[in-house]
Amino acid sequence: ETAVFQTPNYHVTQVGNEVSFNCKQTLGHDTMYWYKQDSKKLLKIMFSYNNKQLIVNETVPRRFSPQSSDKAHLNLRIKSVEPEDSAVYLCASSSDRGAEQFFGPGTRLTVL
Amino acid sequence: GQQVQQSPASLVLQEGENAELQCNFSSTATRLQWFYQHPGGRLVSLFYNPSGTKHTGRLTSTTVTNERRSSLHISSSQTTDSGTYFCAISSNTNKVVFGTGTRLQVLP
Repeated sequence: ETAVFQTPNYHVTQVGNEVSFNCKQTLGHDTMYWYKQDSKKLLKIMFSYNNKQLIVNETVPRRFSPQSSDKAHLNLRIKSVEPEDSAVYLCASSSDRGAEQFFGPGTRLTVL
Repeated sequence: GQQVQQSPASLVLQEGENAELQCNFSSTATRLQWFYQHPGGRLVSLFYNPSGTKHTGRLTSTTVTNERRSSLHISSSQTTDSGTYFCAISSNTNKVVFGTGTRLQVLP
């Protein structure tokens, strides 16, 4: 099956902990993205990687860092989570920077 | 920066009625995509339509690039069409901006 996969589906943690979310795409795409969707369903891009090179880095807090081992994987690490980090984190990919995007199912993070 | 406005913010229809969703953006877009999201679900791509008109089933997307607008038409709505519809655009800067979405509820 070719798609965008994310793990875990859900994660509950406490303030100050570190979390890591995984994303893998089997579509053979060159570009991957991380988005944050808040409780009001607003979607904002956080990072974009093209062939392992960061090409868009929005003004997200420094505790967020993307990690890419190859063009099929783009993980997201959050050091010392805070309550406002509670959201759904969505990973996406596209064949190149201007092409149609395909999304994973998302990871719902709850910070207590 | 680029701004994307969607209207209406929410819409309630009786099954069988048609819906017209609008997306307006503030500057030139090289990529425009319409998505559907189930409540609490994955974003599903409906159309990649930076210009012109595309059809699939009961859905039609029309983008008029030089007027910076796009529409999504749903004909003969069904209860399973309920959910949130987003448009997303990007320009040559590769920054992707999503609209705030239209929440559609189709009643039986």
